[in-house]
Amino acid sequence: SQELEQSPQSLIVQEGKNLTINCTSSKTLYGLYWYKQKYGEGLIFLMMLQKGGEEKSHEKITAKLDEKKQQSSLHITASQPSHAGIYLCGADMNTGNQFYFGTGTSLTVIP
Amino acid sequence: DVKVTQSSRYLVKRTGEKVFLECVQDMDHENMFWYRQDPGLGLRLIYFSYDVKMKEKGDIPEGYSVSREKKERFSLILESASTNQTSMYLCATYEDRNEKLFFGSGTQLSVL
Repeated sequence: SQELEQSPQSLIVQEGKNLTINCTSSKTLYGLYWYKQKYGEGLIFLMMLQKGGEEKSHEKITAKLDEKKQQSSLHITASQPSHAGIYLCGADMNTGNQFYFGTGTSLTVIP
Repeated sequence: DVKVTQSSRYLVKRTGEKVFLECVQDMDHENMFWYRQDPGLGLRLIYFSYDVKMKEKGDIPEGYSVSREKKERFSLILESASTNQTSMYLCATYEDRNEKLFFGSGTQLSVL
């Protein structure tokens, strides 16, 4: 969707390195979601952010939503091979619960 | 946990065939969605439904139709499959209480 821009498109990191994935919208977001997808499978919910400035963490993954609610980042600390997959940001654009998604970031973690 | 079940994991069909993709959820959610996922294009919304017999077009409804006769089942129909409909199809359901979108495991459709 053109509504959400996600970067980078792909990322290859050495195990143990930190990394950040960004998601940007030109519109105010009413809910920002992060999902992870193993290749060829469905999407697994990671986190949801709603308030400007909100930050949530789960294990080694931290997601933040900026004050304007137009940009979010997903940060992985000390990456592991189990973190490999496609990360997608999605957002409720307040159009009757229609959810739009970024194009995804493919993450490869080299042992 | 919410369960969203898509009937087929892989499907191979011929051009011109009528194709049914089934999605069933077990949590009485009202909102259900069909997306297709293609490399470089991400997820694109085909249709969604917010109640039984109610449906709304998403961004790319052409060549598709949907059916929601019962709350738990949302079907995507390809009236006459074409090769450009080869894709991964993902069904999702929305939980109002927790504001979460849950996905099925996807159907990889190949149209030859």
